Amino acid sequence: GQQVMQIPQYQHVQEGEDFTTYCNSSTTLSNIQWYKQRPGGHPVFLIQLVKSGEVKKQKRLTFQFGEAKKNSSLHITATQTTDVGTYFCAGRRDSNYQLIWGAGTKLIIKP
Amino acid sequence: EAGVVQSPRYKIIEKKQPVAFWCNPISGHNTLYWYRQNLGQGPELLIRYENEEAVDDSQLPKDRFSAERLKGVDSTLKIQPAELGDSAVYLCASSLEGRTSGVEETQYFGPGTRLLVL
Repeated sequence: GQQVMQIPQYQHVQEGEDFTTYCNSSTTLSNIQWYKQRPGGHPVFLIQLVKSGEVKKQKRLTFQFGEAKKNSSLHITATQTTDVGTYFCAGRRDSNYQLIWGAGTKLIIKP
Repeated sequence: EAGVVQSPRYKIIEKKQPVAFWCNPISGHNTLYWYRQNLGQGPELLIRYENEEAVDDSQLPKDRFSAERLKGVDSTLKIQPAELGDSAVYLCASSLEGRTSGVEETQYFGPGTRLLVL
């Protein structure tokens, strides 16, 4: 069945370094959403991308949706301790409107 | 405005016992989701309701899991009997969705119910 693969599983960075997580789908998506989950918390919506090649920015966060609408990325510039958490992508299938979640990338700030 | 409300927040039961979780979505949200999230993994959809209709329950283990949303508002998820492998966080989410409405399909999550089966 259709999957959304998300890599890496973990990323350790020094505070101030950049962070990137990638999602890839086996089939075309109608849209993709990104969520952040803090330790012990629940997923919180960040953004939705709909158009092919779309790029959206939220302060230090940049979200991209690939031209083929099969992949997406989230890039954080100059990470801060408040960025700690797990970032999930969730892609919407065209066929049955089902939302398929990636396994998440955990951002860890090195002490 | 109140967010998604779930109860209980924590539940510890012995295997083979029944358990039920309750969710009250954000007022006016027509779509309600139940997810299961295991430690270190992403949410796994169990069932999705549009109003009172279960439109996607393909991943709900129907031998022991059941759900209802009788009036299209709040919902209950039940497990009977519970197994050790059911230990997880059960998340409820709601959204205002429409394929042609153009509404951004944000899912708002409740705090979850952390279930431990002993």
